[in-house]
Amino acid sequence: GAVVSQHPSWVICKSGTSVKIECRSLDFQATTMFWYRQFPKQSLMLMATSNEGSKATYEQGVEKDKFLINHASLTLSTLTVTSAHPEDSSFYICSARTPGGQGIPPNIQYFGAGTRLSVL
Amino acid sequence: AQTVTQSQPEMSVQEAETVTLSCTYDTSESDYYLFWYKQPPSRQMILVIRQEAYKQQNATENRFSVNFQKAAKSFSLKISDSQLGDAAMYFCAYRTGGTASKLTFGTGTRLQVTL
Repeated sequence: GAVVSQHPSWVICKSGTSVKIECRSLDFQATTMFWYRQFPKQSLMLMATSNEGSKATYEQGVEKDKFLINHASLTLSTLTVTSAHPEDSSFYICSARTPGGQGIPPNIQYFGAGTRLSVL
Repeated sequence: AQTVTQSQPEMSVQEAETVTLSCTYDTSESDYYLFWYKQPPSRQMILVIRQEAYKQQNATENRFSVNFQKAAKSFSLKISDSQLGDAAMYFCAYRTGGTASKLTFGTGTRLQVTL
């Protein structure tokens, strides 16, 4: 299947600092990527949809100024948690959707391995 | 709004046995897709199997198969010859057929595999 790489896998930062998480589709071009947040023992909660070359679409209740998303190329989307606070500590997962015509099934979401963010 | 319900928070199966995980969904759409994802302790989400709603034949991937009952809006996952490596959280997911559609996940079923 298609591979999505997410980096870093774990990051610890001080309160008030910003953290950037990268999501790359390694063997396909993804015009659409997604960012999720997962609390312990819960399902995935969609934060935003990242569209290459345009602004991200945020879900209701997600602060777009706090969670900055940039999808500058067809293989890279980044999530920056700005002025992080302890309540932002969580597991963040990215996902990329396969397009059609690149030898892989279209419109399938493949996931990165996730990033554990700990804000002290 | 579409909803996905997994009524079994936890399931247990003995190694080499068969287990079925339940999933129901609610939608008024006719064009949609259904998925089962596995999340092992590593927390990497892995696509297990997918089903297009327009296909009557149930999808199969090696030891994994689905029972897709469109009229009942049911999409269960059967794992045959269970292995220790099958232990994980299993999420059922739905999305419509549009290019702008998003996955809607169920709450998950934790599967334990015992010796």
